[in-house]
Amino acid sequence: EGELVESGGDLVQPGGSLRLSCAASGFTFSNYWMTWLRQAPGRGLEWVANINQDGTAKNYVDSVKGRFTISRDNAKNSLYLQMNSLNTEDTAVYYCAPYSSYGWLDPWGQGTLVTVSS
Amino acid sequence: DIQMTQSPSSVSASVGDRVIITCRASQGISSWLAWYQQKPGKAPKLLIYTSSSLQSGVPSRFSGSGSGTDFTLTINSLQPEDFATYYCQQSSTYPLTFGGGTEVEIK
Repeated sequence: EGELVESGGDLVQPGGSLRLSCAASGFTFSNYWMTWLRQAPGRGLEWVANINQDGTAKNYVDSVKGRFTISRDNAKNSLYLQMNSLNTEDTAVYYCAPYSSYGWLDPWGQGTLVTVSS
Repeated sequence: DIQMTQSPSSVSASVGDRVIITCRASQGISSWLAWYQQKPGKAPKLLIYTSSSLQSGVPSRFSGSGSGTDFTLTINSLQPEDFATYYCQQSSTYPLTFGGGTEVEIK
């Protein structure tokens, strides 16, 4: 069974940057699209971005386009999210998950908290 | 964007009850729908995919149905460990979108 471990969450000021990482194990990482999602405190789930197996195709939710960049390193079984120009609305727990060709997300990591505040 | 509307937003139920949660898409999504369970402080867990397929290891009291725009998640004989929040998610079109969630509370 696969396992995902996110890291890199922190308290950052508005306008700042942060890079999240997701370490994958227990499955063939390079075979899967990978996804970042987030959940603001007390709120629902939001898809943020995903990336195909070799990193040549990427999709983003409109609210992060031009500010966030998803990337991956298949040699390190790792997924990344570079977040720039952060604002308070980006405050959330960020999760990573593999995205199957049938549209489901499983398993999810435990999440990493990003807080944007002055 | 496809809007996913869940109802009810919360439901109070007792152990042994049947609970039905509905999810409506703002446009047709065929069977590209998944259901997740989330407990407080934990990551979501996949229950159902492609509308009605039960994820491995998920108890058979969970079932899903529907296609097009209307979907249901049914929990038969609710168990203590089922008290949680449930989300639907469509994967027909980007951006992937989720319903607002249904909290199943203990009556």
